[in-house]
Amino acid sequence: QQPVQSPQAVILREGEDAVINCSSSKALYSVHWYRQKHGEAPVFLMILLKGGEQKGHEKISASFNEKKQQSSLYLTASQLSYSGTYFCGTALKTSYDKVIFGPGTSLSVIP
Amino acid sequence: DAGVTQSPTHLIKTRGQHVTLRCSPISGHKSVSWYQQVLGQGPQFIFQYYEKEERGRGNFPDRFSARQFPNYSSELNVNALLLGDSALYLCASSLDGAADTQYFGPGTRLTVL
Repeated sequence: QQPVQSPQAVILREGEDAVINCSSSKALYSVHWYRQKHGEAPVFLMILLKGGEQKGHEKISASFNEKKQQSSLYLTASQLSYSGTYFCGTALKTSYDKVIFGPGTSLSVIP
Repeated sequence: DAGVTQSPTHLIKTRGQHVTLRCSPISGHKSVSWYQQVLGQGPQFIFQYYEKEERGRGNFPDRFSARQFPNYSSELNVNALLLGDSALYLCASSLDGAADTQYFGPGTRLTVL
């Protein structure tokens, strides 16, 4: 039931782009994206509720493909502040009040 | 507005003891969820409460229990502590339910010796 995230880790140079993927084997109600820095609580980035929905937040955007049970997080022109671990959380259509988080993708942006 | 608050910040207990963790949601939020996060892993869902009723429960033993009060604050109780219960316990609040945007508190770091 836990979503699968890929890649597990990625290292970027400032200004480069990255894509983080999240997939589920079951029908999804919603997808939630969070970023967590070391020693801090997860910080909300965005939530996607409809298939095909795309949302943006500064240079970070995400899409939700309901048919494939997949979501992707796009980080463009990365900045040092983007470093952290990115988690996707998924709520199933059969239990939409329960958000299950993936194992995370560690992203490091270097100068 | 104040964000989600949790107390205590850190806690050290010994095996077999019990612990109570507290969470105050953002003003106006009626839903509270509890998560356990072990180092290097994603938050693991424990409970979700909405309007004082349990809406969801994760795969945790009965040693874990929770409740939500009329003011929407919440407590997580863990009995008969095990070494494996050492983790960061996160509380998240949302307006209407776990499927809504959740805002996390700073967490309580529990160490079981």
